[in-house]
Amino acid sequence: NAGVTQTPKFRILKIGQSMTLQCAQDMNHNYMYWYRQDPGMGLKLIYYSVGAGITDKGEVPNGYNVSRSTTEDFPLRLELAAPSQTSVYFCASVWTGGKTGELFFGEGSRLTVL
Amino acid sequence: GENVEQHPSTLSVQEGDSAVIKCTYSDSASNYFPWYKQELGKRPQLIIDIRSNVGEKKDQRIAVTLNKTAKHFSLHITETQPEDSAVYFCAASTWVLTGGGNKLTFGTGTQLKVEL
Repeated sequence: NAGVTQTPKFRILKIGQSMTLQCAQDMNHNYMYWYRQDPGMGLKLIYYSVGAGITDKGEVPNGYNVSRSTTEDFPLRLELAAPSQTSVYFCASVWTGGKTGELFFGEGSRLTVL
Repeated sequence: GENVEQHPSTLSVQEGDSAVIKCTYSDSASNYFPWYKQELGKRPQLIIDIRSNVGEKKDQRIAVTLNKTAKHFSLHITETQPEDSAVYFCAASTWVLTGGGNKLTFGTGTQLKVEL
């Protein structure tokens, strides 16, 4: 199993540009999440999904959109990038029917908006 | 929503000493409390977790305690080693098999440095 795969690992955007961060998991997990990590601020939940076709907002959803057309994929769309979106983005997944609630994280995507 | 506070933000200990990191949470419905370790430039990884029906859990040199009444939980690392140096995050969530919930709220992290 590859686990959770995120692409790209690094990206520089200009203000106003748009892009999509890709996330895929091959563990047949039902829940998937997008978090952003800013220095000294922990991880903030952007959006999450409880299964294919179902998404919901987290703590900091403004400026982002998601979709979950399949169990495996959960892309995060940034529209009209702003400097405040400079961050490290982590995708994660979990199977809520297991013995543990361990979230499996991707390697992260470092985004800089200039 | 849930709010998790974590202290201290930085912690330096001598190798072999113990380290304690404390967290408080606000939502009395939270029933799942994991701890994640994040090494520099790496992804967070689960090191231990505890559910609200248990007061303490231990795994070798690490242990977690939970006080539901006071809404706080703590991570204890004994006999610290240089490889324990990392950022540690606590988190809280209501955990259910289906439906809503299962949204981890993280603390702001503790940078642990184990000095030789």
